Amino acid sequence: DSGVTQTPKHLITATGQRVTLRCSPRSGDLSVYWYQQSLDQGLQFLIQYYNGEERAKGNILERFSAQQFPDLHSELNLSSLELGDSALYFCASSPGTGGEYNEQFFGPGTRLTVL
Amino acid sequence: AQSVSQHNHHVILSEAASLELGCNYSYGGTVNLFWYVQYPGQHLQLLLKYFSGDPLVKGIKGFEAEFIKSKFSFNLRKPSVQWSDTAEYFCAVISNRDDKIIFGKGTRLHILP
Repeated sequence: DSGVTQTPKHLITATGQRVTLRCSPRSGDLSVYWYQQSLDQGLQFLIQYYNGEERAKGNILERFSAQQFPDLHSELNLSSLELGDSALYFCASSPGTGGEYNEQFFGPGTRLTVL
Repeated sequence: AQSVSQHNHHVILSEAASLELGCNYSYGGTVNLFWYVQYPGQHLQLLLKYFSGDPLVKGIKGFEAEFIKSKFSFNLRKPSVQWSDTAEYFCAVISNRDDKIIFGKGTRLHILP
């Protein structure tokens, strides 16, 4: 158990819908990262937040957005869902940024299925 | 562009065979290097990491990796694999310039009992 929690574990929805995935980082970690893992694209970094502020952006679509709240939990919002958005979404946290503070601990993931 | 390459997408070995998974990156400057493992149906777990110091890094479960700066490589090794090592292995690199982590596409390792 990494100490990172994600809810829900599974999510099934229809095309065009909007969903919110939630992540709670390890106690004391300030950085939260979101990843998408699919069979064809592999593990893709989406976005990072550090202490409430957006820190780095990866291959995140405009239909997706995220935020980190004052209590440091984070939410990933996916809207206008398409079949191709079906994937496993991982959250990770790290103590901070730079050097050893970059070591990331991964949550169990949310499996999203878009029908 | 910055990238991480894992040369082997799928590796099949018998138990007790030796393992080496390749990882090369294209970054300039100082990097932090990681190998993560994802067992079937589970999340990613850290196998080992390199930040500085001895370029030969020992991780959990008998794995080790060697950072060769001149070759931009961080290959993962294990002298004798077990059936329980069946998993997907990801190499990851963070450049200290921008703190962005980039993962390789992963190597699926299948160990035959």
